[in-house]
Amino acid sequence: KQEVTQIPAALSVPEGENLVLNCSFTDSAIYNLQWFRQDPGKGLTSLLLIQSSQREQTSGRLNASLDKSSGRSTLYIAASQPGDSATYLCAVKETTPLVFGKGTRLSVIA
Amino acid sequence: DGGITQSPKYLFRKEGQNVTLSCEQNLNHDAMYWYRQDPGQGLRLIYYSQIVNDFQKGDIAEGYSVSREKKESFPLTVTSAQKNPTAFYLCASSVNREDTQYFGPGTRLTVL
Repeated sequence: KQEVTQIPAALSVPEGENLVLNCSFTDSAIYNLQWFRQDPGKGLTSLLLIQSSQREQTSGRLNASLDKSSGRSTLYIAASQPGDSATYLCAVKETTPLVFGKGTRLSVIA
Repeated sequence: DGGITQSPKYLFRKEGQNVTLSCEQNLNHDAMYWYRQDPGQGLRLIYYSQIVNDFQKGDIAEGYSVSREKKESFPLTVTSAQKNPTAFYLCASSVNREDTQYFGPGTRLTVL
């Protein structure tokens, strides 16, 4: 059964720092991988989707990479801002709907 | 204005009562999903539907029921058989099973 792990569980950084969030999954037979953002008490917002044939995707200050063979993905956030504070969730898509990690709670301190 | 709506935002239930959570989408998506989120946890799949009048159990379907009579609507009923229903419930939809999922704002259910 697919398991998704996100490290660290929580992260606090000063404004302006570049940072990396990690996601690992146990079964490499995935269709795609998505990164989501969740603000407290809110729904999820899709940030980036990487198909299994792709190595990375970029959107603004966000860059997500995928190494399917090693079962790993990273989300790189450049020049972090207080508005980036949220929980970031990684999810993988197999034949069944998404399997989620528990998320990384990010705090960016002004 | 396209999107996914969930109602109510907050719901309180007495033990032993059934409650129904609403999820509506006007995105013309075929697939819809219900997830449960507990504090500090990721999302766990309750039920999903790939097409009208068809749905499948997810990882934690016990104590829940759904219907998909219309493409736009996928209501979730939390029955009295669900032993620990207090949680945040999220509905999502996608064009098909392969595509990006879009999420509603969620319903927070509290059992008194």
